[in-house]
Amino acid sequence: DAGVIQSPRHEVTEMGQEVTLRCKPISGHNSLFWYRQTMMRGLELLIYFNNNVPIDDSGMPEDRFSAKMPNASFSTLKIQPSEPRDSAVYFCASSYVSSGTVNNEQFFGPGTRLTVL
Amino acid sequence: GNSVTQMEGPVTLSEEAFLTINCTYTATGYPSLFWYVQYPGEGLQLLLKATKADDKGSNKGFEATYRKETTSFHLEKGSVQVSDSAVYFCALPMFSGGYNKLIFGAGTRLAVHP
Repeated sequence: DAGVIQSPRHEVTEMGQEVTLRCKPISGHNSLFWYRQTMMRGLELLIYFNNNVPIDDSGMPEDRFSAKMPNASFSTLKIQPSEPRDSAVYFCASSYVSSGTVNNEQFFGPGTRLTVL
Repeated sequence: GNSVTQMEGPVTLSEEAFLTINCTYTATGYPSLFWYVQYPGEGLQLLLKATKADDKGSNKGFEATYRKETTSFHLEKGSVQVSDSAVYFCALPMFSGGYNKLIFGAGTRLAVHP
């Protein structure tokens, strides 16, 4: 299995530009998570989907951030417009989860390192 | 809601030293408990888990015992190696929106020197 795939691995952009991060979860998994990791704030859950439906987006910092999951094998996280404080490593993770599941191991992708100048 | 607290790092050890990274939790009931590890430049990966009280999870020489009396899940290794240098995260599930999501601790950075 290829694992969770994220692209790009590195992104450098200028303030005000639109940024789109992509994720392909592990085949057969039905839950997908987007995280942001910074030195100051640690690992933060931004949003998670189950069966392509957003379940909890309370971690999305503001309206500049949006996430979609059009099908079971693809998700995007978009920032528009980007700001320097968005610089971080963004991780995508996937899992198989059913109601009542307690052993829900999450499999993480390698991350996208975003730098906004 | 559920929460997890880890000891702050960084933890700096010499090779072959004994390692303990403390983790305590607050939870309703007795959820599964996890340790994840993040090696430099990589995403998190599951290191070990325990699914019920008194269970011991183990992997790669690391161990952690689920202790409900002290609500703890401390990570231990008897003899660390340079290759164990990484950030370690304690985690537990929390029920939200009808499904479980994982709550992670702040992470503890371990640096092992030859």
